[in-house]
Amino acid sequence: DAGVIQSPRHEVTEMGQEVTLRCKPISGHNSLFWYRQTMMRGLELLIYFNNNVPIDDSGMPEDRFSAKMPNASFSTLKIQPSEPRDSAVYFCASSSRGQDYGYTFGSGTRLTVV
Amino acid sequence: DQQVKQNSPSLSVQEGRISILNCDYTNSMFDYFLWYKKYPAEGPTFLISISSIKDKNEDGRFTVFLNKSAKHLSLHIVPSQPGDSAVYFCAASGGGSEKLVFGKGTKLTVNP
Repeated sequence: DAGVIQSPRHEVTEMGQEVTLRCKPISGHNSLFWYRQTMMRGLELLIYFNNNVPIDDSGMPEDRFSAKMPNASFSTLKIQPSEPRDSAVYFCASSSRGQDYGYTFGSGTRLTVV
Repeated sequence: DQQVKQNSPSLSVQEGRISILNCDYTNSMFDYFLWYKKYPAEGPTFLISISSIKDKNEDGRFTVFLNKSAKHLSLHIVPSQPGDSAVYFCAASGGGSEKLVFGKGTKLTVNP
């Protein structure tokens, strides 16, 4: 398995533009997580899905952020409009209930909003 | 309110010596704890875990100790190697939830 695949690896955009981050989880994993990493707040959970259904979106910072999981093999995290304070590394992770090693993370998307 | 705290942002040790990374938690519902290792430009990767029914788990050079009464866990790496240089995250889950709550990480540097 190729692991969790995220795209793009890097994104530079101007303030006010829409940004879409993409994630392909590991086949067979039924839970998907979006995390954001910043120096100030560390790794914080934004939202997670189980069987394609959003379970907990309490970490989504504001209405500018939205996430979808239309099927078991694809998820998006969208920021519209983007702001400089959204600059961070965004990680997607997937897992299967019962495994004892937590999540498998993707390599992340480094977002810079100028 | 941070539920998982790693109070040391960085740690430097000599190759061959022991590295001890510490983690404290506040939520009594947490019953499963994990350590992840992260290299630059990569995602975190699972290292070792421990359930609250145990107080120690060992995997090769890595041992995790859990002190439930103190709400404290630690990761021991013996002997430390330069390739162990990375950021180490402590994480916890509990209450039947799949959510992992992470600490802010400790950057370990192992000097040759």
